[in-house]
Amino acid sequence: GAGVSQSPSNKVTEKGKDVELRCDPISGHTALYWYRQSLGQGLEFLIYFQGNSAPDKSGLPSDRFSAERTGGSVSTLTIQRTQQEDSAVYLCASSGGTENTEAFFGQGTRLTVV
Amino acid sequence: AQSVTQLGSHVSVSEGALVLLRCNYSSSVPPYLFWYVQYPNQGLQLLLKYTSAATLVKGINGFEAEFKKSETSFHLTKPSAHMSDAAEYFCAVRPWGSYIPTFGRGTSLIVHP
Repeated sequence: GAGVSQSPSNKVTEKGKDVELRCDPISGHTALYWYRQSLGQGLEFLIYFQGNSAPDKSGLPSDRFSAERTGGSVSTLTIQRTQQEDSAVYLCASSGGTENTEAFFGQGTRLTVV
Repeated sequence: AQSVTQLGSHVSVSEGALVLLRCNYSSSVPPYLFWYVQYPNQGLQLLLKYTSAATLVKGINGFEAEFKKSETSFHLTKPSAHMSDAAEYFCAVRPWGSYIPTFGRGTSLIVHP
C-alpha cells in the first residue's frame, strides 16, 4: 500500500485478555517503530526493528509486551493479560532506515481495556 | 541521551495571527530535527525536517522552523494562522548515529475565529 497500515483501528478488550496489533509498513522500508500515545503524555517509544531484528526494545514497559516482525515487513505487537493502564493509542511507523529519513506513521490502533 | 521539551501544552491564537510553537532539544551529538502534525483520530504527518543543510527549513502548509544551535532550539512558526491549523504538533529529535526519534509531549494549537 501507499502508506503505513494498522489494524484494527479500534480494539476493546476485557482486562486479562491478550491482544494483537498489526502493522503493515511502507513497502521497502527496513526500519519499523512502535510507539504508545497516552493522553497528555506524548509519544512513548516501545520498540525498533531493523529488518526482522529488534536492536532496541528498551521501551517495552513489561514482559507482557512483545513484538515480532516477519519477512522484513509486517509486525505484530502483542500485549498479554491486558491491564487498564494499557489503554492508549498504539502507533506504528516505518522509515527507509537511513539516518536522515523521516518516519511515516500509521493512523494507530486505539486500545481500550475494560 | 536525547530529549525534547515543548513549552506550552496548549497555544491559543486568533485566525490571522502569528503562530509560534517552541521546541528545545538536548543531544550529545548533532541532531536531525522534525516537526509533525496530528489531526484528530489520525496518525502523525511530517511538516518539515532539519538535516544539517539550511538552518531555516520550510515545510508544508506555510510552516517553517529555524535551527539555532546556540539556543538548542527548533521553534515552529507560521505568519498567519488558519482555522485548519488547529491540531496537535510534535517536535522530535534524532541524533546522528541513532535511528530512533524521541518526541516531545506535543502542543495543542487552538485557533479562534
